[in-house]
Amino acid sequence: AQSVTQLGSHVSVSEGALVLLRCNYSSSVPPYLFWYVQYPNQGLQLLLKYTTGATLVKGINGFEAEFKKSETSFHLTKPSAHMSDAAEYFCAVSEAGNTPLVFGKGTRLSVIA
Amino acid sequence: GAGVSQSPSNKVTEKGKDVELRCDPISGHTALYWYRQSLGQGLEFLIYFQGNSAPDKSGLPSDRFSAERTGGSVSTLTIQRTQQEDSAVYLCASSPIYSSGNTIYFGEGSWLTVV
Repeated sequence: AQSVTQLGSHVSVSEGALVLLRCNYSSSVPPYLFWYVQYPNQGLQLLLKYTTGATLVKGINGFEAEFKKSETSFHLTKPSAHMSDAAEYFCAVSEAGNTPLVFGKGTRLSVIA
Repeated sequence: GAGVSQSPSNKVTEKGKDVELRCDPISGHTALYWYRQSLGQGLEFLIYFQGNSAPDKSGLPSDRFSAERTGGSVSTLTIQRTQQEDSAVYLCASSPIYSSGNTIYFGEGSWLTVV
């Protein structure tokens, strides 16, 4: 069965600094990979996803992630953090063949002025 | 509708009481999902529906939990004889069809507190 590990339950960065949120997955077949963001008191919103094709995926709000099969990783990055990026970020995986999304435990991003 | 709608947004109930949580998916979406979000535990998959059918109920935590969907639209998650460990945010989501690569769209959740 597929699973996701997010390294770091809380990450703190300065405004303007690089954001790096780590995600490693386990899957027995080619995975579909997702990053969702949850702002305070809101539902989850899709940031980006990888299904097939280009391994570098660009999403909303300047975020991107790269699928690295050899490292079983799908880390999320943003070159320059903004105060509005403060939120909870969830990595998720599903497998071809129709399986439900399995989420990691989330990483809370704080941005310091 | 414009998005996934859930009600109630907040519910405080006494231990032992039954609760019903409602989800109204995006219009036209045939797949509907329930997740539970507990503090520090991420999102736990509970159940999904394709139309009115729930092929996989293995994620439901116990037999106190049940869900149904009627008319291929609204779904109700019922928790009987609530326990304090049931306190969590219950998230509903929907997608056009049930397919692994599809984006699923979440509602804002129903916050359940069992006292």
